[in-house]
Amino acid sequence: GQQVMQIPQYQHVQEGEDFTTYCNSSTTLSNIQWYKQRPGGHPVFLIQLVKSGEVKKQKRLTFQFGEAKKNSSLHITATQTTDVGTYFCASVTSGTYKYIFGTGTRLKVLA
Amino acid sequence: SAVISQKPSRDICQRGTSLTIQCQVDSQVTMMFWYRQQPGQSLTLIATANQGSEATYESGFVIDKFPISRPNLTFSTLTVSNMSPEDSSIYLCSVYGSTPVGNEQFFGPGTRLTVL
Repeated sequence: GQQVMQIPQYQHVQEGEDFTTYCNSSTTLSNIQWYKQRPGGHPVFLIQLVKSGEVKKQKRLTFQFGEAKKNSSLHITATQTTDVGTYFCASVTSGTYKYIFGTGTRLKVLA
Repeated sequence: SAVISQKPSRDICQRGTSLTIQCQVDSQVTMMFWYRQQPGQSLTLIATANQGSEATYESGFVIDKFPISRPNLTFSTLTVSNMSPEDSSIYLCSVYGSTPVGNEQFFGPGTRLTVL
């Protein structure tokens, strides 16, 4: 079945450093969504990308969808302690309405 | 957007017992989803609950273990039956919402289940 892998699994950064997480699929994705889950919280939607090569920005966050629509990345510039959490990518299972979630990247920001 | 509440927020249960988790949405929705998130892991879809029909279960999940009810368009329950310590997880319900940025999933706060 469709699988979505994320790397790295964990990342510790010093506050102010940049951070990037990558989402990779073996199959072409119709779209990609990104979610953030704070420790003890539930996933919260960040963004959706649909077009090949699409890039979207939200303040310090930059999201990119690969040209082949098989991968995506989330880049955070100058991390802050409020960025702590686990970042998940998610994509709809081909031919269905169901989203599968990537393995997640847990980010820790050291002050 | 959709506001979702879940009850209970957490519970500690003995093995062999059952727990029913409730999910309430503040608007009418066609599909509701139940996920399981084991400690430190990603989200795994258990089933899709549609009003007026039986829930659709994902591979590895069966109705006898996780019976689901969907009596109306704003409410659903998930029961974790005959629990074992391996069922210790966070259980989340979610719905789709159409927003200007696309179809996003809104999640409830989750039910943290510990089975002893």
